[in-house]
Amino acid sequence: GAVVSQHPSWVICKSGTSVKIECRSLDFQATTMFWYRQFPKQSLMLMATSNEGSKATYEQGVEKDKFLINHASLTLSTLTVTSAHPEDSSFYICSAARDYLAYNEQFFGPGTRLTVL
Amino acid sequence: GQQLNQSPQSMFIQEGEDVSMNCTSSSIFNTWLWYKQDPGEGPVLLIALYKAGELTSNGRLTAQFGITRKDSFLNISASIPSDVGIYFCAGLPMDSNYQLIWGAGTKLIIKP
Repeated sequence: GAVVSQHPSWVICKSGTSVKIECRSLDFQATTMFWYRQFPKQSLMLMATSNEGSKATYEQGVEKDKFLINHASLTLSTLTVTSAHPEDSSFYICSAARDYLAYNEQFFGPGTRLTVL
Repeated sequence: GQQLNQSPQSMFIQEGEDVSMNCTSSSIFNTWLWYKQDPGEGPVLLIALYKAGELTSNGRLTAQFGITRKDSFLNISASIPSDVGIYFCAGLPMDSNYQLIWGAGTKLIIKP
């Protein structure tokens, strides 16, 4: 159990367009979902934390108007990169936890590679 | 943001050798986690440690929560080709807002 999927696994888009990434917990209900960004050869950087039915909490330096997060159900969270630019190109990874803010019990998705031309 | 000091940055080893990597922090941690990430994939939890001095094994992997609560190590015995990947430590500081702090990763490469 505890499988998390992401869709799409990779996406290429033109500068100025918006891209939506879905994160789903397939066999459990996720009270909390986390969104990370990872640059090549670097560690994961937490972007935001979302709890089902409430607004996401963004980390310092992450623009909430640019990275829109919606945690509409206990099995789905979406990250929309609005007006994407080449510097937004990165590997985006979500994780899900059964319990509220269970940072030590996160299950990670396979990631989404975003390339903005 | 804050990071743990993870070393070594990379390791080139022969198949069958034992591997050791560690993470240190200047502050006390409540939880230490070790993950493995394969290229193009998300991290997978290998071992979770919750008590100072705790020693936990998962197959050929063994990890320990340091007595000072400021460090942890991960050992891999008798490495095999599928052990290749990047290993990350992550921890929960005692005085945190419950956000994981990540190490920079140790890249394991096995020489043919």
